[in-house]
Amino acid sequence: QVQLVQSGAEVKKPGASVKVSCKASGYSLTNYYIHWVRQAPGQGLEWMGWINPNSGDTNYAQKFQGWVTMTRDTSINTAYMDLSSLRSDGTAVYYCARGENKGFFDYWGQGTLVTVSS
Amino acid sequence: SYELTQSPSVSVSPGQTARITCTGDSLAKQYVYWYQQKPGQAPVLVIYKDNKRPSGIPERFSGSSSGTTVTLTISGVQAEDEADYYCQSADSSGTYPVVFGGGTKLTVL
Repeated sequence: QVQLVQSGAEVKKPGASVKVSCKASGYSLTNYYIHWVRQAPGQGLEWMGWINPNSGDTNYAQKFQGWVTMTRDTSINTAYMDLSSLRSDGTAVYYCARGENKGFFDYWGQGTLVTVSS
Repeated sequence: SYELTQSPSVSVSPGQTARITCTGDSLAKQYVYWYQQKPGQAPVLVIYKDNKRPSGIPERFSGSSSGTTVTLTISGVQAEDEADYYCQSADSSGTYPVVFGGGTKLTVL
């Protein structure tokens, strides 16, 4: 069955970077886009961007351009989201989700809590 | 920016019908998707392409659209349906390929 399994929770200091992984199983990573969505505590869902694992093309939401990088390693069916220059408002649960370029997220990872605190 | 507007909360008694709306300028031209999220869990797709139901989603969940407003209807609400619901779509220009509504908290009284 299709699964997206994310890496574990992280605690980072302001200014640091974090890299979250999303390992796909039950299908080939290259067949669907991988999107990243974040959710701050008590808040709604916020789209960060997508990567086309087949081509490596990316499309980042304007808010995150310059400090998010999405990559993939097709040999191990894994996508990555790298967030730099973390601030305290970066504390959130980060989800990866499988979908098309305009959404349609049929499978989600379990989420990774990133806590930014000095 | 492009926004999708949802009412913050809806309350219904068990067995009643809940209607959750989502409004956006491009909704007449773009598909809408609905997600259910329970506390501490990842979202789950309940409606795709305006009115289609993924396998495993109960028939009481349905979607409809009228112009720039789309509606998620839950008929015969059950206690287990209490959750946050988010609509998701895109703007017609392609500038905003994925946008979420602010979410609606469904409370089952």
